[in-house]
Amino acid sequence: QLQLQESGPGLVKPSETLSLSCTVSGGSISDSAYFWGWIRQPPGKGLEWIGSINYGRTTYYNPSLNGRVTLSVDTSKNEFSLRLSSVIATDTAVYYCARHRSLYDWFDPWGQGILGTVSS
Amino acid sequence: QSVLTQPPSVSAAPGQKVTISCSGSSSNIGNKYISWYQQLPGTVPKLLIYENNKRPSGIPDRFSGSKSGTSATLGITGLQTGDEAEYYCGTWDTSLGGVVFGGGTKLTVL
Repeated sequence: QLQLQESGPGLVKPSETLSLSCTVSGGSISDSAYFWGWIRQPPGKGLEWIGSINYGRTTYYNPSLNGRVTLSVDTSKNEFSLRLSSVIATDTAVYYCARHRSLYDWFDPWGQGILGTVSS
Repeated sequence: QSVLTQPPSVSAAPGQKVTISCSGSSSNIGNKYISWYQQLPGTVPKLLIYENNKRPSGIPDRFSGSKSGTSATLGITGLQTGDEAEYYCGTWDTSLGGVVFGGGTKLTVL
């Protein structure tokens, strides 16, 4: 059974970089049939896609994040990572990682989520 | 404001049927698969419907999906109190070049 688990610092200061990782277990991140994505949810609000990456390091990002996002993948550790730079208070959200069937298709399963708080 | 438009809330009595709409355009729903997610209070979103009308293993057939033109609909029959949740639609938008989600619909089972 495929499982994903986010990890990383829960608190980051304004203007700094939020760095999170997602460890995949029960399956291989090198499976060419899938991308691996990040989605966030500000407190009390809806879902926002951040970006997706595949094992070949092809990446797609949400244009509304204005180039602040960098995704990477480490096949040796079976994990992928998110870096969000120049964070501001409105970047405070629960960050989920999820397997992405393809760019045009579904997310499943999702990790448990990790709260990323931007505060001085 | 979301690219995909969902009603903020719907409600119905236990045992009844409810539908949740998701309205988009030719750059998203009109030409791409739609998926639906259920987020029970305090939990992680879960895939409910994929590729417009398919159910993942373990999802009861009380849940159904359909698509017509630039709109999609999630149907839930035999409502249970355990169905109270936020429901989101999602798809790819070719104009924006990214995944878009609806704003979410809160289902209340009265």
